[in-house]
Amino acid sequence: QKEVEQNSGPLSVPEGAIASLNCTYSDRGSQSFFWYRQYSGKSPELIMSIYSNGDKEDGRFTAQLNKASQYVSLLIRDSQPSDSATYLCAVNDAGRRALTFGSGTRLQVQP
Amino acid sequence: ETGVTQTPRHLVMGMTNKKSLKCEQHLGHNAMYWYKQSAKKPLELMFVYSLEERVENNSVPSRFSPECPNSSHLFLHLHTLQPEDSALYLCASSQGVTVSGNTIYFGEGSWLTVV
Repeated sequence: QKEVEQNSGPLSVPEGAIASLNCTYSDRGSQSFFWYRQYSGKSPELIMSIYSNGDKEDGRFTAQLNKASQYVSLLIRDSQPSDSATYLCAVNDAGRRALTFGSGTRLQVQP
Repeated sequence: ETGVTQTPRHLVMGMTNKKSLKCEQHLGHNAMYWYKQSAKKPLELMFVYSLEERVENNSVPSRFSPECPNSSHLFLHLHTLQPEDSALYLCASSQGVTVSGNTIYFGEGSWLTVV
């Protein structure tokens, strides 16, 4: 069973701090990695994708990928209360035709 | 507005009813998906369609029956469901099936309650 693991949280950070969200995956053949944000009662929306080892930055968000260690992380700088949501890690397993999702980490940004 | 529209947004049905969920994508994509999201569980892939052909059926009970008449529309027909089938059902689409790294875009979801 190919798995994507995330700490369910909640992860609580003060406003303006850096939030660090982590994800590990079991399939070494995975090629594509995604972070989605899901507000309560809403559908997931894509934040970032990353395909190569290293960092990828987009505004306040930075995705980090380490294929050797099989983990991917998301850093949110200058966290805002509006960032409070569940963050889903998704991985494209080699050979499958869809994404496998983790159960998500709930982030709470305290004003 | 994500370009993927689902109806109805909320549905309450009895265990003996037959109902359908509808999904339409306006993104010109050629792959569509049904995912199920239950409380405190990861998103579960149910079905994948590529160019109207079902390419993956993830061991879903036969009381769920998908239909993809064209690359823009996807249905999930429901009959004799169980209370444990109550969940958020998410439709999604992508330019191609994600083995090539294409991004999946989700609709707003249909909240299903089985009573």
